[in-house]
Amino acid sequence: LAKTTQPISMDSYEGQEVNITCSHNNIATNDYITWYQQFPSQGPRFIIQGYKTKVTNEVASLFIPADRKSSTLSLPRVSLSDTAVYYCLVGDVNNAGNMLTFGGGTRLMVKP
Amino acid sequence: DTEVTQTPKHLVMGMTNKKSLKCEQHMGHRAMYWYKQKAKKPPELMFVYSYEKLSINESVPSRFSPECPNSSLLNLHLHALQPEDSALYLCASSLAGTGTEQYFGPGTRLTVT
Repeated sequence: LAKTTQPISMDSYEGQEVNITCSHNNIATNDYITWYQQFPSQGPRFIIQGYKTKVTNEVASLFIPADRKSSTLSLPRVSLSDTAVYYCLVGDVNNAGNMLTFGGGTRLMVKP
Repeated sequence: DTEVTQTPKHLVMGMTNKKSLKCEQHMGHRAMYWYKQKAKKPPELMFVYSYEKLSINESVPSRFSPECPNSSLLNLHLHALQPEDSALYLCASSLAGTGTEQYFGPGTRLTVT
């Protein structure tokens, strides 16, 4: 199982770009990298998923280097409502008995 | 419909009670999951049903018993729980293909007294 490491917390200001990096040194060939956002007392919300290079959607970008041992979630122009915990999840639902393991999460605080 | 629903939202139960948590999705997903989440911790995977076949996290005690009546429904039966089992219980679903794109429900906040 790929183990992930993320910063425990980050602070930012409204309007700034935020980059959160996740390390996953033992990522397997079939593993994908997925990021989730979670607000207090709610279920995690899927943000973005990628396998390699760069993926972009309407809310975020995901950068994955060629060796795939890390990934960076980029949130452009954050607002106060982006204050949340962000989780990196590496794995494949079809592998390892599906025992997916979330990383510790990064608490992002966006200040006015 | 991209929603996973969970009932009840809140549950308080004694250590001798038997209760069940319910989860439903109508996205055609063939994998469904139960997670347990303690305060300020990441979700921990408890059980997975993929095409209605069960995979178990070996660390989960037998007082938790999952059931998947069909591909849209998932239950978690609770019996003789301990106060340390108090947590947010999350259900999720995904396409049983590749990756880890899961859709989570809002959770059931369980308190064991």
